[in-house]
Amino acid sequence: GQQVMQIPQYQHVQEGEDFTTYCNSSTTLSNIQWYKQRPGGHPVFLIQLVKSGEVKKQKRLTFQFGEAKKNSSLHITATQTTDVGTYFCAASRNTGFQKLVFGTGTRLLVSP
Amino acid sequence: DVKVTQSSRYLVKRTGEKVFLECVQDMDHENMFWYRQDPGLGLRLIYFSYDVKMKEKGDIPEGYSVSREKKERFSLILESASTNQTSMYLCASSLGGAGWQPQHFGDGTRLSIL
Repeated sequence: GQQVMQIPQYQHVQEGEDFTTYCNSSTTLSNIQWYKQRPGGHPVFLIQLVKSGEVKKQKRLTFQFGEAKKNSSLHITATQTTDVGTYFCAASRNTGFQKLVFGTGTRLLVSP
Repeated sequence: DVKVTQSSRYLVKRTGEKVFLECVQDMDHENMFWYRQDPGLGLRLIYFSYDVKMKEKGDIPEGYSVSREKKERFSLILESASTNQTSMYLCASSLGGAGWQPQHFGDGTRLSIL
């Protein structure tokens, strides 16, 4: 079945450094969603990308969808301690149902 | 705001027991999902439902069943609990219809099978 690989699994940065997580698929994706899960919390929807080459920004977060719609990235500029958590990408399957396949997640730790 | 409520935050059961996990959403969403989350494996879909009394298998349905008798409620059943079903279970809901909709998650149930 469709798989979504996410790297890195874990990253530890100093506050103020940048951070990027990557999501890759061997098949073309219909769309991609990004979620954030704080420690002890549940995944919370951040954004959805649909178009080839699409770039969206939310304050310090920049989301990109690859031209071939097989990969995506989330970049955080100047991390803050509030960015701590696990970031998941999730891709939609072309089944007609609203099913998602989640990446394995990237856990971000930010030291002050 | 969408509210997805899972009946228990923590649950401890014994091997062989029949276990029920309940999930209720208050936003009239058509779609409901059950995932399990394990370290290093992300979220894996167990079952989902796109309408009352409708259900579809996800990626790891073995050992589980579901029930959706009312639109707002989606139950996950472990027919005969085993230790490898110890995990965090997350329920989610989303709107139906055209276009891809974000999923809204409950706080999760951490289930331990002894």
